[in-house]
Amino acid sequence: QQPVQSPQAVILREGEDAVINCSSSKALYSVHWYRQKHGEAPVFLMILLKGGEQKGHEKISASFNEKKQQSSLYLTASQLSYSGTYFCGTATGNQFYFGTGTSLTVIP
Amino acid sequence: DVKVTQSSRYLVKRTGEKVFLECVQDMDHENMFWYRQDPGLGLRLIYFSYDVKMKEKGDIPEGYSVSREKKERFSLILESASTNQTSMYLCASSLGGGRGTLGEQFFGPGTRLTVL
Repeated sequence: QQPVQSPQAVILREGEDAVINCSSSKALYSVHWYRQKHGEAPVFLMILLKGGEQKGHEKISASFNEKKQQSSLYLTASQLSYSGTYFCGTATGNQFYFGTGTSLTVIP
Repeated sequence: DVKVTQSSRYLVKRTGEKVFLECVQDMDHENMFWYRQDPGLGLRLIYFSYDVKMKEKGDIPEGYSVSREKKERFSLILESASTNQTSMYLCASSLGGGRGTLGEQFFGPGTRLTVL
């Protein structure tokens, strides 16, 4: 029931784009995205509700395809500050599960 | 500024000891959570509380218990610590709603527990 994230790890140069995927085997009510920097607490990025809406904040956006039970996080023109581990969280029925995380490293 | 605080950043205990991890939030949130975080396994829910004195088991409750006597405070108890409970423990809080309709969760800084 834990969603599957891919890739597990990615290394980017500043200015490059990245996509992180989150896939569930169950029908989803919502998808949440969090970022955790090394040694810090996870911080909320956004929630996407079923209906296929796409949300964004500056250069980080996400989509939610409820038919495919998938969500993708898009990071464009990555900055050094984007480094960290990204977690998706999926709400289904009365359950909520975090994925195993995607480590993203942005290098100069 | 909203805040979730945890009693210790680092804790070292011996096998068989009773361990208390405390979490306090100042946002008047109904929901509080205890997660453990292990490399490659992400965040796994241990217990969830949706109101004072109310609790639900999460995905990995074995070996743990919780207490919520006041709205702002949620305690995680390891009755008899074992080495496989060595982990990072994260507390979180959110506004009300069941696990299927959760909103934003606010996390504390975590407690790294080592059981020798």
